[in-house]
Amino acid sequence: KQEVTQIPAALSVPEGENLVLNCSFTDSAIYNLQWFRQDPGKGLTSLLLIQSSQREQTSGRLNASLDKSSGRSTLYIAASQPGDSATYLCAVKIRRGSQGNLIFGKGTKLSVKP
Amino acid sequence: NAGVTQTPKFQVLKTGQSMTLQCAQDMNHEYMSWYRQDPGMGLRLIHYSVGAGITDQGEVPNGYNVSRSTTEDFPLRLLSAAPSQTSVYFCASSYSFLAPGELFFGEGSRLTVL
Repeated sequence: KQEVTQIPAALSVPEGENLVLNCSFTDSAIYNLQWFRQDPGKGLTSLLLIQSSQREQTSGRLNASLDKSSGRSTLYIAASQPGDSATYLCAVKIRRGSQGNLIFGKGTKLSVKP
Repeated sequence: NAGVTQTPKFQVLKTGQSMTLQCAQDMNHEYMSWYRQDPGMGLRLIHYSVGAGITDQGEVPNGYNVSRSTTEDFPLRLLSAAPSQTSVYFCASSYSFLAPGELFFGEGSRLTVL
């Protein structure tokens, strides 16, 4: 059974720092991996989608990498800002018998201090 | 463009009552799904649909019913509410379940069962 783990559960950094959020998964047979952002009391917003054939995706200050063989993905946030404070979740779309299901990690709560 | 719209945003029920959470999307998405989000449990798939007239169970389907009579709408019915169904419910959609793609979420429906 696919399991997705995000460590740490919470992270606090000063403004301006570059940081890395980690996501690991147990089964390398995935279609894709998505990183989401969730603000308190809100829904999830998709940040980056990496297909299984890709190694990384970039959007602005965000860069997500994927290493299927090791079952890991990282989300790199450059020059962090207080507005980046949110919970970040990763989710993998599993392949065999999935019918489109996503398996979510429990998220990393990021706090960027001014 | 409204995206994914969920109603109601908040609801309080008594044990044994029934209700329907509404979800509508205006993006002509083929795939729609319902998740529940609980502290320490992450997001878990309840039911999903890959097109009008086609639904299937996710990880935690018991106590919930769905139907998909149109492409746009995917209501979630609680047949006889229980305190264990107190949660935040999210509807999500994507263009196609076959083509790996971005998942769009609604803002959530917060349900309390007394």
